[in-house]
Amino acid sequence: EIVMTQSPATLSVSPGEGATLSCRASQSVSSNLAWYQQKPGQAPRLLIYGASTRATGIPARFSGSGSGTEFTLTISSLQSEDFAVYYCQQYNHWWTFGQGTKVEIK
Amino acid sequence: QVQLVESGGGVVQPGRSLRLSCAASGFSFSSYAMYWARHVPGKGLEWVAVISFDGINKYYPDSVKGRFTISKDNSRNTLYLEMNSLKPDDTAVYYCARESPPKFWDYWGQGTLVTVSS
Repeated sequence: EIVMTQSPATLSVSPGEGATLSCRASQSVSSNLAWYQQKPGQAPRLLIYGASTRATGIPARFSGSGSGTEFTLTISSLQSEDFAVYYCQQYNHWWTFGQGTKVEIK
Repeated sequence: QVQLVESGGGVVQPGRSLRLSCAASGFSFSSYAMYWARHVPGKGLEWVAVISFDGINKYYPDSVKGRFTISKDNSRNTLYLEMNSLKPDDTAVYYCARESPPKFWDYWGQGTLVTVSS
């Protein structure tokens, strides 16, 4: 099983600041990585697929990068609606998820 | 717009069975592979089952293989998860999701809570 490790577990950020979330795979997943955002009581929302392609309707302040085993989700200027939990998912070999990074208001 | 609505969760005793449903709308359900995943409280998300667009191919992780069965009724636009021999470790919020090629998940439902407890 490919293990996905996200860091940090919690990120405290002030509105308007940027945030960088990391995701590491235990073995190469090529670019077969997606990022999801989840708010309490809501369905997860696809943000990024193919490691760097924004999903339909996702604002340009969200960007993804990386390949192989190291990936990053960057939020350039946090808006109030961006405070949520973010998950990475590899779909190179079956499907596994990271434990999530909670982005909270500082 | 695409909507996925899960139902069927609840409290069930260990060893018993439960069937979850996922009603799909806003897209051509028969053309898409579908998934079930779960989120165990305090732990991460786990893929639970996948079914091909035509319902023929089905795959499961070892944690549920032999106990869970995924199916889809393309005439009713509904996805199912039959869960047998439930264990306390199966307690989780269960989500259905739609596949977008090449195998990531582009839409999810809001989830239904399953609690396995005596």
